[in-house]
Amino acid sequence: EPEVTQTPSHQVTQMGQEVILRCVPISNHLYFYWYRQILGQKVEFLVSFYNNEISEKSEIFDDQFSVERPDGSNFTLKIRSTKLEDSAMYFCASTLRGGLGDTQYFGPGTRLTVL
Amino acid sequence: DAKTTQPPSMDCAEGRAANLPCNHSTISGNEYVYWYRQIHSQGPQYIIHGLKNNETNEMASLIITEDRKSSTLILPHATLRDTAVYYCIVKYSGGYQKVTFGIGTKLQVIP
Repeated sequence: EPEVTQTPSHQVTQMGQEVILRCVPISNHLYFYWYRQILGQKVEFLVSFYNNEISEKSEIFDDQFSVERPDGSNFTLKIRSTKLEDSAMYFCASTLRGGLGDTQYFGPGTRLTVL
Repeated sequence: DAKTTQPPSMDCAEGRAANLPCNHSTISGNEYVYWYRQIHSQGPQYIIHGLKNNETNEMASLIITEDRKSSTLILPHATLRDTAVYYCIVKYSGGYQKVTFGIGTKLQVIP
């Protein structure tokens, strides 16, 4: 069964460093998303991406964050200058069409630890 | 987007049916009800979704009331591996369909 994959599973970085989290969405899917979950809190939407453009972003997704689809298979989330409060699980998701009845499938997540 | 209300926690004996309720009284006519679960800190796992009719798949059944203001997720024979947080979500009707998670129901399956 096709699935969303994410690498690395765990990333440790120093405050102020740049990190890139990588995702490979399901191969024929067209809509891509990033979410995050701070330990003990809800899963929060960050950004959605379609046709090489951001289609929606939350207030969390400030200028420190960017997303890119550098090739036909990868979807990345970059945090330019990490802060302690960026420590969280980051989940990538994809969906085929993005319509009301369509289903988002989530990856296993990357645990980001900022020291 | 319609909000949902779920009990914060439930217990279920292993082998018995787990019935997880959800209220979504402000749901609009074209919004779907989705259920996901999250085992420990893993990625949310899709379970099932429906619009009006009851739905069943290999994982679960979804019962939606006729007025669509509430629903129940049924895991017919709960196992220890079903211990997880279960999220009832009404899919946002605009934009690119982001999923808005609440706090869900923590289901503990007891041996």
